[in-house]
Amino acid sequence: NAGVTQTPKFQVLKTGQSMTLQCAQDMNHEYMSWYRQDPGMGLRLIHYSVGAGITDQGEVPNGYNVSRSTTEDFPLRLLSAAPSQTSVYFCASSYSPVEEARADTQYFGPGTRLTVL
Amino acid sequence: AQTVTQSQPEMSVQEAETVTLSCTYDTSESDYYLFWYKQPPSRQMILVIRQEAYKQQNATENRFSVNFQKAAKSFSLKISDSQLGDAAMYFCAYRSLSGGSNYKLTFGKGTLLTVNP
Repeated sequence: NAGVTQTPKFQVLKTGQSMTLQCAQDMNHEYMSWYRQDPGMGLRLIHYSVGAGITDQGEVPNGYNVSRSTTEDFPLRLLSAAPSQTSVYFCASSYSPVEEARADTQYFGPGTRLTVL
Repeated sequence: AQTVTQSQPEMSVQEAETVTLSCTYDTSESDYYLFWYKQPPSRQMILVIRQEAYKQQNATENRFSVNFQKAAKSFSLKISDSQLGDAAMYFCAYRSLSGGSNYKLTFGKGTLLTVNP
């Protein structure tokens, strides 16, 4: 059981380049999300998905796109990278976003460190 | 919008001693969840403990316990018998249960805990 996996672990981009951060989970979780972590800022939600085919914006969605074609995968795309997107990116998943399970735990991937020059 | 405040950017403790990390939050909701996550140097986000707001009893997980004061909107984490492996960044997080906000975690900025041998 791999849990939540993210690739790559590290990436360096030049301004204006595009790339996709991959996230996959093998726990059949409905809910998946992307956070970015910046020094002194905690984690902030970028986008989330409550199931295949359904996505929505979080707190800081500008400059990022997501899609959810399968339950397992939730890629994050940077359309035109900017230095302000230098950050550590975390993908997380949980069984349900709704509280039938009460306090359903979000499981985090190991993170991707992205540097934009 | 909810906010989470961790007023101690850094804390240190001697091995085998007890340390308490502070967290306060601001919300107008009556039902919600609170979490403590640990982030070691590996960057993995690891759930330490969680508390349902409707429960008066403080959550406990082995050496980790919380002091949940709902009226004061305070949620501190106590680590007993501190071990070297407890050294990490600790994040307090809030999860709403209402409306469209129940999908995300709102994080504090973190407290860096050092454990001295």
